[in-house]
Amino acid sequence: QLQLQESGPGLVKPSETLSLTCTVSGGSISSSSYYWGWIRQPPGKGLEWIGSIYYSGSTYYNPSLKSRVTISVDTSKNQFSLKLSSVTAADTAVYYCARSTVTGARKGAFDIWGQGTMVTVSS
Amino acid sequence: EIVLTQSPGTLSLSPGERATLSCRASQSVSSSYLAWYQQKPGQAPRLLIYGASSRATGIPDRFSGSGSGTDFTLTISRLEPEDFAVYYCQQYGSSQRYTFGQGTKLEIK
Repeated sequence: QLQLQESGPGLVKPSETLSLTCTVSGGSISSSSYYWGWIRQPPGKGLEWIGSIYYSGSTYYNPSLKSRVTISVDTSKNQFSLKLSSVTAADTAVYYCARSTVTGARKGAFDIWGQGTMVTVSS
Repeated sequence: EIVLTQSPGTLSLSPGERATLSCRASQSVSSSYLAWYQQKPGQAPRLLIYGASSRATGIPDRFSGSGSGTDFTLTISRLEPEDFAVYYCQQYGSSQRYTFGQGTKLEIK
């Protein structure tokens, strides 16, 4: 059974770079059938897609965050990572990693999610 | 960018009642790429419906999705206590971009 697990610092200072990693277990990140994405949720608010990556390294970003986001993949470790630069308090949120399907009936749906990790931006 | 607007913001119903949640898109969405999620406090969202009307694995048949174009609906035929949660719609569009609606909170009346 495929599982995703986020990891990284829970506290980041303003203007610094937020870095998170998502480890995929129970399956291969190198499958041609899936994108691997990051989604965040500020406290008490809704969901915001940050960006996604294909195992080949192709990336797709939310235009509103694109200038500050880098998503990368390490197939040897079965992991993908998020870097968000120049953070402010508005970036405080629960960050989720999730899998979405590339083709077929479930194309575009996030069918497996990590449990999420809370990141607070504060000095 | 396609904007998804969900209504109502909060829906107050009793167990056993029927719930109807709406998701309206600012421009036409392919039905194939419209999904619904359920989120309970402290938990990650769970996929309920994909392709506008197909139930995900393990989702009870009291959950159903419908709609096309710009108007989509999630219906819960008879509410169970565990169904009270926040529900989000989500679309997948061109250039591999995803957007979520702002959510509908389904609360016990």
